[in-house]
Amino acid sequence: DIQMTQSPSSLSASVGDRVTITCQASQDISIYLNWYQQKPGKAPKLLIYDASNLETGVPSRFSGSGSGTDFTFTISSLQPEDIATYYCQQYDNLRVTFGGGTKVEIK
Amino acid sequence: QVQLVQSGSELKKPGASVKVSCKASGYTFTNYAMNWVRQAPGQGLEWMGWIDTNTGKPAYAQGFTGRFVFSLDTSVSTAYLQISSLKADDTAVYYCATDCCGAARFDPWGQGTLVTVSS
Repeated sequence: DIQMTQSPSSLSASVGDRVTITCQASQDISIYLNWYQQKPGKAPKLLIYDASNLETGVPSRFSGSGSGTDFTFTISSLQPEDIATYYCQQYDNLRVTFGGGTKVEIK
Repeated sequence: QVQLVQSGSELKKPGASVKVSCKASGYTFTNYAMNWVRQAPGQGLEWMGWIDTNTGKPAYAQGFTGRFVFSLDTSVSTAYLQISSLKADDTAVYYCATDCCGAARFDPWGQGTLVTVSS
């Protein structure tokens, strides 16, 4: 199975800061990479699909980029409501793997 | 609106079985595959596999064969996850999620069902 290495595992940033999370796949997955946000006690929510497409209704401060094995998720200006754990997820040949998650906190 | 509603929390003893339900509404149930995801306490998301809602054929991820069974009742737009011979490390929140558009775009998700295995 394809492994997803997500980093960092946690970060602390100030409101208004630019936040970047990376995800590396163990082999080429083209653009089949999605990003989810999970707030405590809640189900995950899809934010970005196919590496760079913003899900309907998701604020434009969230963005994604990359292809092949290296992907980046960015929050352009961190807001208090963005406190959550973020996960990347890959899809390849009917198999799915999640990254280990990045917990984002306010400094 | 498209919605998945899961059954409530369960407390089970080791060795028992549990069946979690996931009822879909707001869309044609057989249009989208149903996935199951496990989240152990304080841990990340772990994909368990999926079931084709047209054919009923399941596919299980590594580590989820044998004791885990996905099934459907299309007459009531409901998917099920059954776990047998429960162990303490099966304690987790179990989520169902539709693959709305292919390529594992999981949206929406159920609210999650906490299964606690304890003697």
